[in-house]
Amino acid sequence: EAQVTQNPRYLITVTGKKLTVTCSQNMNHEYMSWYRQDPGLGLRQIYYSMNVEVTDKGDVPEGYKVSRKEKRNFPLILESPSPNQTSLYFCASSLRDRGYSPLHFGNGTRLTVT
Amino acid sequence: GENVEQHPSTLSVQEGDSAVIKCTYSDSASNYFPWYKQELGKRPQLIIDIRSNVGEKKDQRIAVTLNKTAKHFSLHITETQPEDSAVYFCAASPDGAGSYQLTFGKGTKLSVIP
Repeated sequence: EAQVTQNPRYLITVTGKKLTVTCSQNMNHEYMSWYRQDPGLGLRQIYYSMNVEVTDKGDVPEGYKVSRKEKRNFPLILESPSPNQTSLYFCASSLRDRGYSPLHFGNGTRLTVT
Repeated sequence: GENVEQHPSTLSVQEGDSAVIKCTYSDSASNYFPWYKQELGKRPQLIIDIRSNVGEKKDQRIAVTLNKTAKHFSLHITETQPEDSAVYFCAASPDGAGSYQLTFGKGTKLSVIP
């Protein structure tokens, strides 16, 4: 089944404790991206990657890191999480065909930072 | 950068009635306008999209209209059903960027009352 898989689905952590949210897709998509969803703010792009070893900042990149060492994986790293990073996170992927292919979202990761 | 405004933030309609959600965008270079539906606890999924060389697009009970001069686009759902209840997000991206650089609206929570 074609899908984007995120792990974990739920995560509760404390301020300053480094964490990684994994994202993997099995559709051979070149493009991958991370979004955060907050009530009343919609979906905001954190980072995106057009291909292996190519990453770029989205609208809200502060406090996050990403890497794209393999085509299928695009982990999101929070080096020192803070309470304002409590949010619902979505990974998404798409074909790189002039950009008009739809985004395929993962199931989301609900992160709570205390 | 692009700014997408979406109205209303909440919308309640009786089953069988029509629902209209409106979005405006700021960047005249934007030319791709998708709509995503997010059911409660689920991932966003593309339901319809339109490019700037088209003024209207229909898919069964769903239609999207685009007015490039006024920089606004709308989602129309006819004969609403309870399964249409969800949060709907509009989005826009600049010429050539497609799904890579989507700016989302803040979302509209649609409730269809049986």
